[in-house]
Amino acid sequence: GENVEQHPSTLSVQEGDSAVIKCTYSDSASNYFPWYKQELGKRPQLIIDIRSNVGEKKDQRIAVTLNKTAKHFSLHITETQPEDSAVYFCAASQYSTLTFGKGTMLLVSP
Amino acid sequence: GAGVSQSPSNKVTEKGKDVELRCDPISGHTALYWYRQSLGQGLEFLIYFQGNSAPDKSGLPSDRFSAERTGGSVSTLTIQRTQQEDSAVYLCASRGGGASGNTIYFGEGSWLTVV
Repeated sequence: GENVEQHPSTLSVQEGDSAVIKCTYSDSASNYFPWYKQELGKRPQLIIDIRSNVGEKKDQRIAVTLNKTAKHFSLHITETQPEDSAVYFCAASQYSTLTFGKGTMLLVSP
Repeated sequence: GAGVSQSPSNKVTEKGKDVELRCDPISGHTALYWYRQSLGQGLEFLIYFQGNSAPDKSGLPSDRFSAERTGGSVSTLTIQRTQQEDSAVYLCASRGGGASGNTIYFGEGSWLTVV
């Protein structure tokens, strides 16, 4: 089955800095890679996703890049704000079950 | 409905009791998932339903756990003879087709505490 590794487990940045979270996956058949943000006590919510026919996708301050050859993908958040503080999960999927990474706790200090 | 709905939102039960957790997926969504999240941990896959196909039960941690989905909509996750290590948030999610494609939407979760 699919295995997703996520790094770092915690990340502290100053407001305005950039944050990068990296994930690797094992199953070359995976073709869908979403990122979820989970605030304390809340449900995980999709923030951005990318499919394997695309190398990069951007939505305002967040972007995701995918390297299919190396089987890794990354989340980039620019101009971080305190409200970006949360746990971020990457995931990989083919057609059915999403396999999640263990999460990255991002803390943005004012 | 507008989103994935789960009940109860919180449940405290005594060790050894059975519990049932309910999930109402987004209307029209054919795929339904159960995940478990222990405090400060990641999302552990439990079971996946897709239409009328046999469910993927590969993530269920023991035979005390079971789930069913009636009429292709509502799902119930049952935990028999609960143990303290079952304490976690149980998250249900659903996925539809069309423009939303692969997007999985989560419910707020059912917080289970076994004492």
